Amino acid sequence: KAGVTQTPRYLIKTRGQQVTLSCSPISGHRSVSWYQQTPGQGLQFLFEYFSETQRNKGNFPGRFSGRQFSNSRSEMNVSTLELGDSALYLCASKETGQNIQYFGAGTRLSVL
Amino acid sequence: AQSVTQLGSHVSVSEGALVLLRCNYSSSVPPYLFWYVQYPNQGLQLLLKYTSAATLVKGINGFEAEFKKSETSFHLTKPSAHMRDAAEYFCAVSEGADGLTFGKGTHLIIQP
Repeated sequence: KAGVTQTPRYLIKTRGQQVTLSCSPISGHRSVSWYQQTPGQGLQFLFEYFSETQRNKGNFPGRFSGRQFSNSRSEMNVSTLELGDSALYLCASKETGQNIQYFGAGTRLSVL
Repeated sequence: AQSVTQLGSHVSVSEGALVLLRCNYSSSVPPYLFWYVQYPNQGLQLLLKYTSAATLVKGINGFEAEFKKSETSFHLTKPSAHMRDAAEYFCAVSEGADGLTFGKGTHLIIQP
């Protein structure tokens, strides 16, 4: 099976813009989670989607949002970008009833 | 609330020496525990997981970890370090439906 695929791998945006990141989970996985990784804060949980519904949410402002489609593919959106949003954004998928999350290679976002 | 503490942001060992990366967790329920490895510019790869079946868990690449409930620890070890083991290692805990909570990570340096 193909692994978790994230696109694009790299993005450069300026403050105030918005950005959309995409994640295709492993075939058959219906749960998709998003994480933000920064040198200062480490890896932090953003949110999880299952069957097109947000199931859990981390402690991030409302500028961070996501959605999941019927084919389990997920997107996350960040509006009104700030310099502090520069990070590696990781997506992970898991099988229903299992606890192991499989990660993609990430999208590195740079906000200038 | 769950939390993870990784002692030592950087650990340096000689090639062929024992690797010991420390992880302590806090959880209100029996946890699921994981070790992930991250190579430069890549996502997270699962090394091993503890899900209450056995306290000594063997993973990939010769790594293993022992769950000690009395010490709330889940330290990662490898008998003999290789240069290819140089990477960032993350301990993580999950209490089930919530997302993973990660430690700050330990950068493993292998000296030739």
